[in-house]
Amino acid sequence: RKEVEQDPGPFNVPEGATVAFNCTYSNSASQSFFWYRQDCRKEPKLLMSVYSSGNEDGRFTAQLNRASQYISLLIRDSKLSDSATYLCVVPGGSYIPTFGRGTSLIVHP
Amino acid sequence: GAVVSQHPSRVICKSGTSVKIECRSLDFQATTMFWYRQFPKQSLMLMATSNEGSKATYEQGVEKDKFLINHASLTLSTLTVTSAHPEDSSFYICSASLAGSSYNEQFFGPGTRLTVL
Repeated sequence: RKEVEQDPGPFNVPEGATVAFNCTYSNSASQSFFWYRQDCRKEPKLLMSVYSSGNEDGRFTAQLNRASQYISLLIRDSKLSDSATYLCVVPGGSYIPTFGRGTSLIVHP
Repeated sequence: GAVVSQHPSRVICKSGTSVKIECRSLDFQATTMFWYRQFPKQSLMLMATSNEGSKATYEQGVEKDKFLINHASLTLSTLTVTSAHPEDSSFYICSASLAGSSYNEQFFGPGTRLTVL
């Protein structure tokens, strides 16, 4: 099992839709989890941090399921500007961040 | 939030030359910085972990003599691509986390786009 796995997509959704991504991880000792957003040819930017069961920020909700070792990102009322690649990051040994391959989201009018 | 800068943002060089990329944490100290490489439409690949005052730890398959890393201070790490070749053309990104933080949020530099002709 890869350390961090994501469905690469692309997820192609209309404006206003609700979309969810999952990310599975193998390091059961991980305590903190992150979702980053990366626009084309730009650096990743932190979207949400998850330290306990979940986190919510406006239209974005991240949930953690430790038993099944996955985190999810839910985006409600999708906007055109949400189109990007969403990276799941799970610290591994020595806190070295391990990135998933990213999930591509395309929001269309 | 914490800010990380990279310089240069873009560089074009001839094959065989060496290129140095700087990564600076502007308003915080970072005992550890990470260097990544990203090819088009691919994920970030960790190249090495840069530790202040000690040798960098390289990931498997990354040549330490080709990608020289120096972490001379708590705010500066440099990556030198020696004798660059066209296959080294890529997007190089550094990241840093707050020294002493029990969490591992990464602050990323804006990246350096290297093109080797």
